[in-house]
Amino acid sequence: EVVLTQSPATLSLSPGERATLSCRASQSVSYFLAWYQQKPGQAPRLLIYDASKRATGIPARFSGSGSGTDFTLTISSLEPEDFAVYYCQQRRSSLPGTFGGGAKVE
Amino acid sequence: EVQVVQSGPQQKKPGESLKISCQLSGYRFSNYWIGWVRQRPEKGLEWVGIIYPGDSDARYSSSLQGQVTLSVDKSISTAYLHWSSLKTSDTARYFCARLLEGAFGDYWGQGTLVTVS
Repeated sequence: EVVLTQSPATLSLSPGERATLSCRASQSVSYFLAWYQQKPGQAPRLLIYDASKRATGIPARFSGSGSGTDFTLTISSLEPEDFAVYYCQQRRSSLPGTFGGGAKVE
Repeated sequence: EVQVVQSGPQQKKPGESLKISCQLSGYRFSNYWIGWVRQRPEKGLEWVGIIYPGDSDARYSSSLQGQVTLSVDKSISTAYLHWSSLKTSDTARYFCARLLEGAFGDYWGQGTLVTVS
């Protein structure tokens, strides 16, 4: 099973600052990686899939990069509504794959 | 517009059975995989399994294989997650989602809270 490790576990920033979140896979997942945002009491929201494609309706301040084992989610300028928990998720087969442990932006 | 609506919260005892539902609309139901995700209180996301409505092909997380059953009713565009014998460790919120590329949840339900005690 591919293990995804997210870092840092918590990122403390202010509105307007840049956020950079990392997701490292225990083995190559090619570009088959997604990022989600989850706020308390809400369902996850797909931000990025296939490492760098923005999902429908996602603002341009969210971007994804990477391939193989190292991936990054960047939020170019934090808005108040961006403070949340972020998860990465990979797929290497027909199964949906695994999630990372999550990273909180506070 | 794609919509995903899940059934309401459930309070059960260990050993009881349960089936929760997920109704999807606004697209061709048979053409997209549907996934179920578990989130225990204050914890992260875990896949339960996925199912393809076109042929009811279901795949399960290795940790949950044999513990749950996924099914669909194409006539009402609804997916189901079923337990035959609940455990206290099944206490969690369960989300369903339409899966983009068979893997990435692009539309999600609001979640169903299952409490077993």
